[in-house]
Amino acid sequence: DQQVKQNSPSLSVQEGRISILNCDYTNSMFDYFLWYKKYPAEGPTFLISISSIKDKNEDGRFTVFLNKSAKHLSLHIVPSQPGDSAVYFCAASDSLPASGSRLTFGEGTQLTVNP
Amino acid sequence: GAGVSQSPSNKVTEKGKDVELRCDPISGHTALYWYRQSLGQGLEFLIYFQGNSAPDKSGLPSDRFSAERTGGSVSTLTIQRTQQEDSAVYLCASRLTGLTNSYNSPLHFGNGTRLTVT
Repeated sequence: DQQVKQNSPSLSVQEGRISILNCDYTNSMFDYFLWYKKYPAEGPTFLISISSIKDKNEDGRFTVFLNKSAKHLSLHIVPSQPGDSAVYFCAASDSLPASGSRLTFGEGTQLTVNP
Repeated sequence: GAGVSQSPSNKVTEKGKDVELRCDPISGHTALYWYRQSLGQGLEFLIYFQGNSAPDKSGLPSDRFSAERTGGSVSTLTIQRTQQEDSAVYLCASRLTGLTNSYNSPLHFGNGTRLTVT
């Protein structure tokens, strides 16, 4: 079963505009959420995270919003830049010792920012 | 180096052959994970090592897959009798643990090994 879902495989925006990437999850035990960015031929790199005790976390141009009741999170990038073009993965983990904090990933969304 | 190192970066093998993939985690990171990404798919968890504890093998897709971590550092992922569906990018990640709220520390990924089974 897909516990983390990113329903949009791709998103295209103009430079300077806002990019909004969405993610839904089903496991109510998830309490920590992350976004990773991946360029071709490279491993994913950590971008931003949010704990379930918060509903918003901001870091420069990147903001992650968490709606626990809807089991939904989103990543906002504003203003978008061509260098932001990459695949963005949503990931989630729980704090149960048995899970070892392993991350469950979504399928990814390819973001293309056009100059 | 400062990051997670994986080798080889690319591997082409014939169906039925065995392959070994290597991961060198960041020094001092006690937690090590293997994931794989098949074409058009997300990252699929394979196995997790934490210090000297028994590894969590719950993500391994079949008994043809195995992994070990020697001396708490370097890890090798072995795939025996490779099949075409094993073709994927195999990613290794490590994480710092042992700190307060360390479960929140992010995974650091290597660049992966692209495995192609012909």
